[in-house]
Order: sequence, then C-alpha cells, then structure tokens
Amino acid sequence: AQSVTQLGSHVSVSEGALVLLRCNYSSSVPPYLFWYVQYPNQGLQLLLKYTSAATLVKGINGFEAEFKKSETSFHLTKPSAHMSDAAEYFCAVSDRGNTGKLIFGQGTTLQVKP
Amino acid sequence: KAGVTQTPRYLIKTRGQQVTLSCSPISGHRSVSWYQQTPGQGLQFLFEYFSETQRNKGNFPGRFSGRQFSNSRSEMNVSTLELGDSALYLCASSLAAGGGEKLFFGSGTQLSVL
Repeated sequence: AQSVTQLGSHVSVSEGALVLLRCNYSSSVPPYLFWYVQYPNQGLQLLLKYTSAATLVKGINGFEAEFKKSETSFHLTKPSAHMSDAAEYFCAVSDRGNTGKLIFGQGTTLQVKP
Repeated sequence: KAGVTQTPRYLIKTRGQQVTLSCSPISGHRSVSWYQQTPGQGLQFLFEYFSETQRNKGNFPGRFSGRQFSNSRSEMNVSTLELGDSALYLCASSLAAGGGEKLFFGSGTQLSVL
C-alpha cells in the first residue's frame, strides 16, 4: 500500500532563509508525486508534480522538488522564504493506474519569521 | 474561468441528521473527487467520479455516499451524522480521471455536528 510521511509537522524559518520541507513515500511501483499548499480557510493549490520526466521539478512561487528514487524522497525547497509562503504544505502520492485517488501526508505548517 | 464551487460554505447539523454537500467543477472538467480533512486524520479520500460513474471509493462507512450528474456537478451525502463527521469536506475537479492529473480544489464545506 502506498503511504507518505512528512517529517516535521511544523517548520519555522526566517524571511530570506532556505525552505526545506521533507517528504518520503512508500510505493511498490514508481508513483506520481505532488506538493500542494493550503492557505487558511482555502482549498489546496498544486505547487508541483512529478510524473517521471525530469527528476528536478520546478513549480510555482519559486518552489522546486527533487525526486530521489534511492531515498524514496521528494523534498520541497525554496531558496529564499517570503512572508507570503506561510501556509500548510502537503505531499501526496498517487499510483499510475486508472484512479485519481491521492494519499496525503499529514502536512507541514511553515512559519516565516520577519 | 470560475473555479471549483462548493456550497454551502458552513453547515451546522445535529447527530442523527443527514446532510448533502454540493460541488460544481470547473467548466469542462469531467472528474470530481471528494476528500475529508480533519485535524486528527488529515486529508482522506472519499470518492472519485468520472462521467457519472464512481471510479474509486475510500475507506469510509456506507453512510457516506455520492453521485455525479450529467453536467459533472457532484453531491455527497452523509446520513445519520456522528460527532466524528465534523470536518472540512473538500471537492476537487480535473479534466480527466487517473493518476497524475492536476486537481483543482474548492474552498470546502465546513461541517460541524453537534
């Protein structure tokens, strides 16, 4: 069965610092991987997705993630945090079959300090 | 283009009642999926519909049901409400069904069961 583990339920960084949110997945076959962001009182918005093209995936708002099969990881990074990046971030996995079912991690709340 | 619209935005019910939530997908999107979000369990998949057919169902009791209409609008119903059903219910739409599709989420319906 597929699963996703996000290390750290809360991450705090200073404005301008590197953002690193960790995600490890478990899947018997190469999965599709996603990062979504949720701002307060809103739904989720896709940041980026990996579907087996380039292992380094660039997304919106300056975020990127690297798929590392050997480490079963898909960590999200951003070189310089902005105050507007404060939100909850979810890593998700889906299989390559005929279903759109996403399995989400527990989420990581990113706090950005001035 | 209008986004995914969920109604109502907030709902308060009492135990034992039933509730119907509505979701209008982005125009042209034929796939709709539903997720339950709670602080304890996180985001959990409920069901996925494509062209009025349920393609996949999550691990929820039979009190949770859904349907999709010919115009792709979807409803989910929860009967005999329990306190534990209090949650944010998110609907997402995509152009097609299947893994790897980009999901567009609505802002959700916040259900409180008293």
